[in-house]
Amino acid sequence: RKEVEQDPGPFNVPEGATVAFNCTYSNSASQSFFWYRQDCRKEPKLLMSVYSSGNEDGRFTAQLNRASQYISLLIRDSKLSDSATYLCVVNLLRGDSGYSTLTFGKGTMLLVSP
Amino acid sequence: EAQVTQNPRYLITVTGKKLTVTCSQNMNHEYMSWYRQDPGLGLRQIYYSMNVEVTDKGDVPEGYKVSRKEKRNFPLILESPSPNQTSLYFCASSLGLAGGLSYNEQFFGPGTRLTVL
Repeated sequence: RKEVEQDPGPFNVPEGATVAFNCTYSNSASQSFFWYRQDCRKEPKLLMSVYSSGNEDGRFTAQLNRASQYISLLIRDSKLSDSATYLCVVNLLRGDSGYSTLTFGKGTMLLVSP
Repeated sequence: EAQVTQNPRYLITVTGKKLTVTCSQNMNHEYMSWYRQDPGLGLRQIYYSMNVEVTDKGDVPEGYKVSRKEKRNFPLILESPSPNQTSLYFCASSLGLAGGLSYNEQFFGPGTRLTVL
C-alpha cells in the first residue's frame, strides 16, 4: 500500500461549484498533515495545515480522520484561479533516526471552467 | 525577500558529465531537502539535511550526492548523470524539527528542469 494515496483526477468543475478531494495514508504513526497547491510547472506551496478538529480558511475546509487514516479538502465557490494540482502531504517518521520528513501524495488535479 | 533559489533553472547535459545544482536559502532554516518530480510518480525525496554536516538519504538517493557545509547552501551533485535522472528537481527548506517532531512549513525553490541525453 502506498504511503499517501490520492485520486489523480482531473476534477472538472464549473465556477461556483463545491469540490472535495480525499487522501488516505498508510502509516498510523503519522503526526502532521497538510495540503499543498502546485500550479503547472511551478513549485508547491503550502495551502493549509490539517488539524484533528478540522479547520477552515476562507473557502477551504480541511478534515482529518485519524481512525480511518483519511484527509479531505473541500473547496467552496470554486474560482478559475483554483485550477491547480492539490498535494496531500503527511509527516512521517524515518526509521530509527528520530527525524520526520514529508511524504507527498501524487496530487489531484482540479480544472475550474467558466 | 525570503526565498529559496536554485541554479541553473534549466539544464541539458549528456550522460556521464558531472553536474551540480545549487540551492540556497536566506531564511536561516535548519532543514533542507531535495526532491525530484516525475509524471505519474509525484514528488520523491532524494536527500535531506537536518543541519550543517548532517545529511541523510531520502526515498531515491541512488546516483546523487549532497553536502551541507554551510547552513544556507545545499548543493545536489550528479557525479555521472544518466537519462533516468531527467526530471524536475526541487530544493526546499524549513525551520527544522523544533520541539522534537513538530513540523514547519517547507518553502520550495522554483525548480530545475534537467535533461540528460
